[in-house]
Amino acid sequence: AQTVTQSQPEMSVQEAETVTLSCTYDTSESNYYLFWYKQPPSRQMILVIRQEAYKQQNATENRFSVNFQKAAKSFSLKISDSQLGDTAMYFCAFMSVRDDKIIFGKGTRLHILP
Amino acid sequence: GAVVSQHPSWVICKSGTSVKIECRSLDFQATTMFWYRQFPKQSLMLMATSNEGSKATYEQGVEKDKFLINHASLTLSTLTVTSAHPEDSSFYICSARVGSGWETQYFGPGTRLLVL
Repeated sequence: AQTVTQSQPEMSVQEAETVTLSCTYDTSESNYYLFWYKQPPSRQMILVIRQEAYKQQNATENRFSVNFQKAAKSFSLKISDSQLGDTAMYFCAFMSVRDDKIIFGKGTRLHILP
Repeated sequence: GAVVSQHPSWVICKSGTSVKIECRSLDFQATTMFWYRQFPKQSLMLMATSNEGSKATYEQGVEKDKFLINHASLTLSTLTVTSAHPEDSSFYICSARVGSGWETQYFGPGTRLLVL
């Protein structure tokens, strides 16, 4: 069975700083996808970034980038120049192509301080 | 594009009654929809996968007779919580996907259910 572990329940950083959220996962699958989702206070789930396991290049989306270490089964999210609007719950998630279901970690609550 | 709506956004009901939650893909046709449950300060747990025109596939531990799912069209899936009890109080979120596994899932805004 696949598992996703987020070891940081809560984090706080000052606005404009860079913050890294950790995520590790466990799987025996070779073909899968990894995601970071943001859930702001509105509770709307928003896809932040996606990484295909077969791609060695780390995904980036503007201020958001990942450090994907496949051998270590690590998938961290870096937020650069953090903004107040980045305050939210962040979920790391895994999906096996074979299984077709998204498995979410327990989340990291991120507070961006003014 | 890729907007998913849920109705109602919140509902309060009495114990023993049934509640229906709708999930609609507004600007695309969703071959697959998913229903999740999220308890306060916890993660999303997949309840079931719903494919248009076929029976839903429920996750282990989810009672299919209690959580009835109907995916009658490519833009609508419904979740009915039958004979609701206070322990069913939770946040229910649906997501919709156009095609196969690698396609992005788009999430609805969620429905908060409170059973008194």
